[in-house]
Amino acid sequence: LAKTTQPISMDSYEGQEVNITCSHNNIATNDYITWYQQFPSQGPRFIIQGYKTKVTNEVASLFIPADRKSSTLSLPRVSLSDTAVYYCLVGDKGTGRRALTFGSGTRLQVQP
Amino acid sequence: DTEVTQTPKHLVMGMTNKKSLKCEQHMGHRAMYWYKQKAKKPPELMFVYSYEKLSINESVPSRFSPECPNSSLLNLHLHALQPEDSALYLCASSSRLGDSMNTGELFFGEGSRLTVL
Repeated sequence: LAKTTQPISMDSYEGQEVNITCSHNNIATNDYITWYQQFPSQGPRFIIQGYKTKVTNEVASLFIPADRKSSTLSLPRVSLSDTAVYYCLVGDKGTGRRALTFGSGTRLQVQP
Repeated sequence: DTEVTQTPKHLVMGMTNKKSLKCEQHMGHRAMYWYKQKAKKPPELMFVYSYEKLSINESVPSRFSPECPNSSLLNLHLHALQPEDSALYLCASSSRLGDSMNTGELFFGEGSRLTVL
């Protein structure tokens, strides 16, 4: 299974940009990179998905270098409500266990 | 409707009880999932149903019995559980499993918090 490695925790302040990097050295050719956000006692929520280069939506940006061995989730101007756990998943779009397996995640704490 | 609804939100049961967790979605999704999440840990995949058929069982003990009566409903039957089974049980759905056109996005419910005494 494609294994992902993320920092255990990060701290930031309101209004700052936060970048969370995920390492996935054995990513396969057909694998996509998907990020989820989870608040306490709630289910994870899809943030963004990408295959290469850069993807941006209204919530975040995802940067993927050419070798695809890592990816960076960028949250612009975070607020207190962005305090959550962020998970990076790697796998075929919707196929098999790899796209469905959560790593340990990054706990982001945003302070005033 | 982009919701996955789980009931009950909280459940307390004894080790000899039989109970069920329920999950419902009306997005036309044909893949549904059960995850288990312990405190401060990531969700762990338990079961996957694709077109109402069990597709993946992650070696879950038989005291957990999934059921998919139709494309909108997913149940998890619980019997003779242990205190260590206490956790947040999450249901999710996605449009399809194994379809290259699938965005791969999982839609999660808010979970059922289970306490086994």
